[in-house]
Amino acid sequence: SQKIEQNSEALNIQEGKTATLTCNYTNYSPAYLQWYRQDPGRGPVFLLLIRENEKEKRKERLKVTFDTTLKQSLFHITASQPADSATYLCALVPGYSSASKIIFGSGTRLSIRP
Amino acid sequence: GAVVSQHPSRVICKSGTSVKIECRSLDFQATTMFWYRQFPKQSLMLMATSNEGSKATYEQGVEKDKFLINHASLTLSTLTVTSAHPEDSSFYICSAPPQLAGGDITDTQYFGPGTRLTVL
Repeated sequence: SQKIEQNSEALNIQEGKTATLTCNYTNYSPAYLQWYRQDPGRGPVFLLLIRENEKEKRKERLKVTFDTTLKQSLFHITASQPADSATYLCALVPGYSSASKIIFGSGTRLSIRP
Repeated sequence: GAVVSQHPSRVICKSGTSVKIECRSLDFQATTMFWYRQFPKQSLMLMATSNEGSKATYEQGVEKDKFLINHASLTLSTLTVTSAHPEDSSFYICSAPPQLAGGDITDTQYFGPGTRLTVL
């Protein structure tokens, strides 16, 4: 069966450290993978996208890696801050058509303590 | 940038009643929209794909007679939860593909702000 799994339901780290979140998938061949941030009671907010032929993508303090052999993506937040506390979702887009739906992972609740 | 709105943002209803949630694309024509449901502390689960001028496509396990989707215009899709029960209480979110707003296929989808449904 097809699965998208984020290995930790919750992750607590100290401010200033690097947070690393993991997303694994099975029985998908995604065209690309996205990471979103979601705050309580709000819709998801797009952070980064990485294509199937890309290994790494960076944006400010964020870094995403994509290993299609391992079927895994890692999401890093460097120099973490309490304001980074939120739920982070990985999402797969299986195809390239205009009707491609997004399949979300279960999410990881990240808490950054001062 | 492209915006998707939802109405209402919150709704409380009695068990057995029907509730309609609207999803609008404000500055582009969304011939396709997606409806998601999110239970507390869980991720977004795709319910159905709404197609303008044709029937919606439902994901496995989603009752099409329970969750009626109507995409009657190029800017409006509605989700009606019929005979709502407390287990239907959830956060409902719609989205539209970026290409329809002139964006690249690899851009983020445009998500609405969500509708919190509480069934008493």
